[in-house]
Formats: sequence, structure tokens, C-alpha cells
Amino acid sequence: GAGVSQSPRYKVAKRGQDVALRCDPISGHVSLFWYQQALGQGPEFLTYFQNEAQLDKSGLPSDRFFAERPEGSVSTLKIQRTQQEDSAVYLCASSLFGGAHMNTEAFFGQGTRLTVV
Amino acid sequence: GESVGLHLPTLSVQEGDNSIINCAYSNSASDYFIWYKQESGKGPQFIIDIRSNMDKRQGQRVTVLLNKTVKHLSLQIAATQPGDSAVYFCAERGPAGYALNFGKGTSLLVTP
Repeated sequence: GAGVSQSPRYKVAKRGQDVALRCDPISGHVSLFWYQQALGQGPEFLTYFQNEAQLDKSGLPSDRFFAERPEGSVSTLKIQRTQQEDSAVYLCASSLFGGAHMNTEAFFGQGTRLTVV
Repeated sequence: GESVGLHLPTLSVQEGDNSIINCAYSNSASDYFIWYKQESGKGPQFIIDIRSNMDKRQGQRVTVLLNKTVKHLSLQIAATQPGDSAVYFCAERGPAGYALNFGKGTSLLVTP
């Protein structure tokens, strides 16, 4: 596709339910990022993949959060036993190159708005 | 901890005027900065970037200024248009070298 695609666009989950959020990055992009954006705030870094390797997961708020990118393309962010504080927009971004200090543009998807009730 | 922040949460300008959005950063080791525009219901959209070895960079109707002495970043938008109405974020490259650290954002409202 032409851009980063995320699905679903909206997800309502009951507290305690598991959810899976999908990201299709731009084809050929090495780097993939997940961010969490609370209402009225800037995006907060969650995790980073270079191809299939998860190089940084320091931003994941708890062990209920898990991300994978098994073939170095599509990525899934899974949240187990969702809590109300997990309600946010989850953004995925990809960039062409990988590695630290690479000044390459990160392209963002439209995000998945998760509401936990 | 060190962070990126914005001076003004909201900015209202008239169509045709120039807009200036400011950002302060505290990590002197930051070497790369980006401005993003985010419209309602959409993901952040890249506007312009600047490396720490530069003071100024110009794009189409936008200019980013970097003052490393006072750790200040600004985005100037010339001849602001209604389509420029959005939330603007500055972001800096974090210590790890790939994650972006975003500020809280400034909401720009362009009135006719």
C-alpha cells in the first residue's frame, strides 16, 4: 500500500479482554515503531523493531503488553487483560532505514483507538 | 528526567498571518529534531526536520530554527492557511538513537 495501515481503526474492549492491533508498514521499511497516544498528549514510545528483531521494548508499560514482527513486515501489538488506563490511540510508524542515529522520516499510520469499558 | 516541551498549548492566528510555534528541549545530547502536524483522527505527519549541526532549515512555507545555546526550537509557518489548523508536535531523537520523544503539542487554529 501507499502508507502505513493499521487495523482495526476503532476497538472497544471490556475490561479484562485481550486485544490484538495490527500494523502493515510501508513495504520494504526496515524500522517499525509503536507509540501510545493518550487524549490531548503527544505520542509515547512503546517499542521498536529493526526487521524482525525487537531492539527496544523499554516503553511497554507492563508485561500485559507484547509486540511481535515475526517476518520483519506486519507487526501485532497485543494487550492482555485490558484495563481502563490502556484506553488510548495506538500509533504505528515505519521508516526506510534502521539503526541508531539514522535521520530518516518515520511515516505514521492513522492509529487504532482503543476504548476499554 | 530530560524532556521535550512546548511553551504555548494553543495558538490562534488569522488567515494570511505568519505563525510561530515554539519548543524547548532539555537534552543537550539530542542531535535530531522533527516537527509533526497531526489533524484530528489522523496520525502525525512529517513537516520538517533539522540536525543539531544546523541552525535553520527551510521548506515550503515552513522554516525550522534551532538555537542550541538556549535549547530552543521553533516552527515558522508563512501565510498561514485554514488547512494548517492542527496540533503541532516537536520531537527529538531519544538517547537510544531511534525512538522519538514527543512534546505535548500546540493546537494551531487559523481563523478566516
